[in-house]
Amino acid sequence: NAGVMQNPRHLVRRRGQEARLRCSPMKGHSHVYWYRQLPEEGLKFMVYLQKENIIDESGMPKERFSAEFPKEGPSILRIQQVVRGDSAAYFCASSPRKTGYTGANVLTFGAGSRLTVL
Amino acid sequence: SQQGEEDPQALSIQEGENATMNCSYKTSINNLQWYRQNSGRGLVHLILIRSNEREKHSGRLRVTLDTSKKSSSLLITASRAADTASYFCATDPEYGNKLVFGAGTILRVKS
Repeated sequence: NAGVMQNPRHLVRRRGQEARLRCSPMKGHSHVYWYRQLPEEGLKFMVYLQKENIIDESGMPKERFSAEFPKEGPSILRIQQVVRGDSAAYFCASSPRKTGYTGANVLTFGAGSRLTVL
Repeated sequence: SQQGEEDPQALSIQEGENATMNCSYKTSINNLQWYRQNSGRGLVHLILIRSNEREKHSGRLRVTLDTSKKSSSLLITASRAADTASYFCATDPEYGNKLVFGAGTILRVKS
């Protein structure tokens, strides 16, 4: 079981370019979360997805950011027209939580993708 | 907004000493979890305490939860240099679908 796989681990973009971050959840996990971490800060929630559905995107900026989790393939966080303020570590986490499940929601995190905007 | 607040922000101790980190939160929770993050890495789940529990142990970790004060503490006993990391509390809200993380405590254990 390879765990949560994120790529790329490091990404450098110039202002105005697009950044695409990918996340493959743990085998058997159908719920994916994206968090952003600025240097020396905690994680801030961005979006929560299940296969083909966005469940909660309340933490994601309305403009330039989008996320998807298609039926086949990894979840993708897309940032268009990047700005310097987008420089951060972006973490993906997955859980096996099922709809209607009221038990504990324990997340397994990937190693993160570190975006640097020049 | 993030609701977990941790203190201290940073803690430096000698190997063998105990380390205590505190977390406060604002809303009703199902459970509270502690995660560890080594520099440049992802977070790793350490321990979970449910809202109806007051104390839980796992190896050298001891977690307490006071729901009346909306606070939790993480105690690491007999610390080792390898415990050097950032520690985050995360609340699993009673009404909600995502974990909310605090700003973390940076622990440095000197050998």
